Parts: sequence; C-alpha cells; structure tokens
Amino acid sequence: EPEVTQTPSHQVTQMGQEVILRCVPISNHLYFYWYRQILGQKVEFLVSFYNNEISEKSEIFDDQFSVERPDGSNFTLKIRSTKLEDSAMYFCASTPTVGGVNPYEQYFGPGTRLTVT
Amino acid sequence: AQSVTQLDSHVSVSEGTPVLLRCNYSSSYSPSLFWYVQHPNKGLQLLLKYTSAATLVKGINGFEAEFKKSETSFHLTKPSAHMSDAAEYFCVVIFTSGTYKYIFGTGTRLKVLA
Repeated sequence: EPEVTQTPSHQVTQMGQEVILRCVPISNHLYFYWYRQILGQKVEFLVSFYNNEISEKSEIFDDQFSVERPDGSNFTLKIRSTKLEDSAMYFCASTPTVGGVNPYEQYFGPGTRLTVT
Repeated sequence: AQSVTQLDSHVSVSEGTPVLLRCNYSSSYSPSLFWYVQHPNKGLQLLLKYTSAATLVKGINGFEAEFKKSETSFHLTKPSAHMSDAAEYFCVVIFTSGTYKYIFGTGTRLKVLA
C-alpha cells in the first residue's frame, strides 16, 4: 500500500541553523500539507500546497518557513533560522483531491522530530 | 468556523471494559469528521471517518463512532478495550472551504489498565 515517507525521522539542530525536512507524498496525490505538533499539544496546520504554490498558510507559517516541491516527488519544509520553540514533530500529509461531498482523507507520514538546542 | 473539542484529556479503562472518547464539533456546514490514533513515537493512523453517509461508522480494530447532529457529537467507542489500544486519540474536523485543512482536537490519552 502506498504511503507517505518522511526523512529524517529525528533531526537535532542548533538555534539559528537552517533545517530542511523532507517528505515524499503518495505518487498520484495533488495536495500536500505540513502540520506541527509541539510535545504534549495538539496537531496544528502549517501550510497547504497545490500546483506548485502555497494554497493556504497559518499564522505559525511566518517568513522563517518555506515549502517547495523541487523535483515532482519530494515536498520540503525549510526553516531558515530555527528557534527553540520550533522544536516539535512535523508531519507531512497528502491527499489526491479536496472538496466534494466526500472529501478525501489525508494520508500522514510518520513525522520528523525536530529538536532545536 | 469549524472547531472540535475533546472533552477529556485523559481516559483510563480496565482491559476488557468499554471505551468512550468524547468529541464535539462546531461547523457552519455539514462536517466531515475523522478519528486518528497516535501510538507513542509513531505517526497518525486513521481509525474511521464520517462523510455524510451512515451515521454509525465502523473503523479498524473494533472502534466505531456515531455522528449525532442534534448533539454535534462524534464520540468514539469500543466495546472491549485491549492493552494495545493505549495511545493518543485525535478527533478531527475538516475545514470545508479553501484547502480543506484538518482541524485537530486537543487529543485524549487512553490508558488501559491490566
């Protein structure tokens, strides 16, 4: 069964450093998402991406964050200058389509745990 | 605006007894609702989903949920808890405009006692 994959599973970085989190969505999916879960808190939406551009972003997704789909398979989240409060689990998700009477479920990757020291 | 509330942050049950995890939603539209489970250090796994078909939805591992529009609820139940059910459970409502992002509840940690 196809699945969303994410690398690395755990990333440790120093404050101020740039990190890139990688995701490979399911191959025929068209919509991609990043979510964040700070330890002990709920999962929060960061950004959605369709047709090579951001469709929607949350307040969390400030200028320090960017996303891109560099090669038609990978979907990356870059944090330009990490802060301590960026420490969280980051989940990538994809879905073949959106909307309609029966919106498709989002398929989640296993997550990347980012630790900023 | 859509939102979802999970009323219990922690639930403890004994193995073999019923499980009830509560979820209430707020939505201006007919909602689509999901339950996800997250085992320790694992990703999010879909348990079941409601998308305006049958109001009683059956999912994996013996879980089911009933959509009650009059009560704006979508509680998750299981007749008999198993030790392997110990995990964090998230109720999710889908934001039915724009990009259909997920709105997560705060989660309920289920503990199963031997």
